[in-house]
Amino acid sequence: EVVMTQSPATLSLSPGETAALSCRASRSITTNLAWYLQKPGQAPRLLIYGASTRATGVPARFSGSGSGTEFTLTINSLQSEDFAVYYCQQYNQWPPLTFGQGTRLEIK
Amino acid sequence: EVQLVESGGGSVQPGGSLRLSCIGSGFTFRNYAMSWVRQVPGKGMEWVSSISGSSGDTHYADSVEGRFTISRHDSESTLYLEMNNLRSEDSAVYYCAKDLSSTGWYFNFGDYWGQGTLVTVSS
Repeated sequence: EVVMTQSPATLSLSPGETAALSCRASRSITTNLAWYLQKPGQAPRLLIYGASTRATGVPARFSGSGSGTEFTLTINSLQSEDFAVYYCQQYNQWPPLTFGQGTRLEIK
Repeated sequence: EVQLVESGGGSVQPGGSLRLSCIGSGFTFRNYAMSWVRQVPGKGMEWVSSISGSSGDTHYADSVEGRFTISRHDSESTLYLEMNNLRSEDSAVYYCAKDLSSTGWYFNFGDYWGQGTLVTVSS
């Protein structure tokens, strides 16, 4: 099983700042990584797949990078609606598909 | 507009059974692999099971293998999860999700998710 580890657990930033969220895989997953955003009481929303491809309708301030075992989701110029929990998920080697434990992005 | 609507959740005693349903609309259901993913409220997500859109191949997490069965009824655009011998650790919100690719071979990640249905297993 590929273990996904996200850091930090919580990130406190102000609107307008840039967020960098990290996701590490226990072994290489090439670029088979997706990022989701989840707001309280809502289903996850796909942001990024293929490590760096934005899903339909996702604003350009969201970008993904990385390959192998190290990945980053960068959110430029944070908006109020961006404060939520973010999850990464690998789909390189499965079953099982595996998720990180999440990073909570909160308003400072 | 793509929509996924789950139903069938509820409260059940340990050892009991439930069948979850997920009705898809706004896309050609039979062309897409589908999955169930669960989440304990306030916790992370756990993949449960997937089914391909073409061959009907199925896959399960070890934690549910032998107890849960995923199936699909393409003519009714419906995905199912039959859950038997339920345990307290199965308590969670269960989401159905649709894969991005229309090849239907296997589920990689969900581009659309339902709103979830809550399953509570308790005596």
